[in-house]
Amino acid sequence: GNSVTQMEGPVTLSEEAFLTINCTYTATGYPSLFWYVQYPGEGLQLLLKATKADDKGSNKGFEATYRKETTSFHLEKGSVQVSDSAVYFCALTTNAGGTSYGKLTFGQGTILTVHP
Amino acid sequence: DVKVTQSSRYLVKRTGEKVFLECVQDMDHENMFWYRQDPGLGLRLIYFSYDVKMKEKGDIPEGYSVSREKKERFSLILESASTNQTSMYLCASREASGSGTDTQYFGPGTRLTVL
Repeated sequence: GNSVTQMEGPVTLSEEAFLTINCTYTATGYPSLFWYVQYPGEGLQLLLKATKADDKGSNKGFEATYRKETTSFHLEKGSVQVSDSAVYFCALTTNAGGTSYGKLTFGQGTILTVHP
Repeated sequence: DVKVTQSSRYLVKRTGEKVFLECVQDMDHENMFWYRQDPGLGLRLIYFSYDVKMKEKGDIPEGYSVSREKKERFSLILESASTNQTSMYLCASREASGSGTDTQYFGPGTRLTVL
């Protein structure tokens, strides 16, 4: 079956620090990979995604590269802001056999807090 | 922009009550999903629907049922609420498989407390 493992949090950083949140996965078939973000009191929003090996997803200064050889999709940002404080979820979907209907498998989430 | 709305942001119910959580999407999406979110566990899929009146169990369907009578609306039903169903419930929708896009769009969530 599919599974996603994220680095344990919470993560606390000072503003302008470098951020890495690790994500590794196991999957049957050939997955698409996602990072979703949940700001306080809100639902999940898609942050970025990658659909094939070596693709780099990017948005709002965040980046993640689909690494098939290490089955990883680590999230990075060079300089975090207070407004980046949120919960970050790594997720994958596969369409093996065309019957998955796009079901997402999520990691457990990483809480990020950025202090001024 | 895709919009997914949920009927309540906060709900408090008593053990044994029947609870209805409603979700509506405005983008004519075929697939709709119900997840619950618990600290340390991420999101877990309860049920999903790939068409009107069609449904499939997710990873944790016990104690829940669903209804999809119209394409835009997907309801989650707790037949007899229990305290271990206290959680955040998130609805999502996406286009049909094979459409070329696999992004799910989420509602704001309903925080349910069962006393």
